[in-house]
Amino acid sequence: ENVLTQSPGTLSLSPGERATLSCRASQSVSSSYLAWYQQKPGQAPRLLISGTSNRATGIPDRFSGSGSGTDFTLTISRLEPEDFAVYYCQQYGASQWTFGQGTKVEIK
Amino acid sequence: QLQLQESGPGLVKPSDTLSLTCTVSGGSISTYSYFWGWIRQPPGKGLEWIGSMYHSGNTYYNPSLKSRVTMSLDTSKNQFSLTLTSVTAADTAVYFCARQWVAAMVTWGQGALVTVSS
Repeated sequence: ENVLTQSPGTLSLSPGERATLSCRASQSVSSSYLAWYQQKPGQAPRLLISGTSNRATGIPDRFSGSGSGTDFTLTISRLEPEDFAVYYCQQYGASQWTFGQGTKVEIK
Repeated sequence: QLQLQESGPGLVKPSDTLSLTCTVSGGSISTYSYFWGWIRQPPGKGLEWIGSMYHSGNTYYNPSLKSRVTMSLDTSKNQFSLTLTSVTAADTAVYFCARQWVAAMVTWGQGALVTVSS
């Protein structure tokens, strides 16, 4: 099983600040198969990024993804009030899908 | 616009079987290249992939649940289903269905809370 470890567990920031979220895999992940999701309380997750860096339809360009191999990053360039939420990375490999444990971005 | 909706009992007794259905509207479940998946989220916890099924019927399950999980497609009703046997309190969760484009879960249902309790 390819275990994804996200850090930090919680990120306390103010609106307008930059958020950098990390996702580290225990085994190498194809860049085509790394995704990021945003989840707000009481809602289903929403796809933000697929293929490491490709924004999903309707996702603003303040969200960007990067990385390769075992280290991946989601960056929110300037936090808007609606961006405070939990973020999950997810990978696919060998016909298995796994999620990271999540990073909560909270208002400082 | 594609929409997914989970349905099934909200309460299941310990040792019984959990059964959920995901109804797809705005698109065909037989569409080439898509996977159809189930993901769950225990209260206050993170996401856990349960299993995925290709339009051809090939299935892939989380090894930790594989002995208890079965997924199936019903193309006549444009639905896919999940059964989980021998449930315990640890299976209490919100269960989501999703359409996948290979790696990514692109479209999600709103989720269905299933509580395992006597």
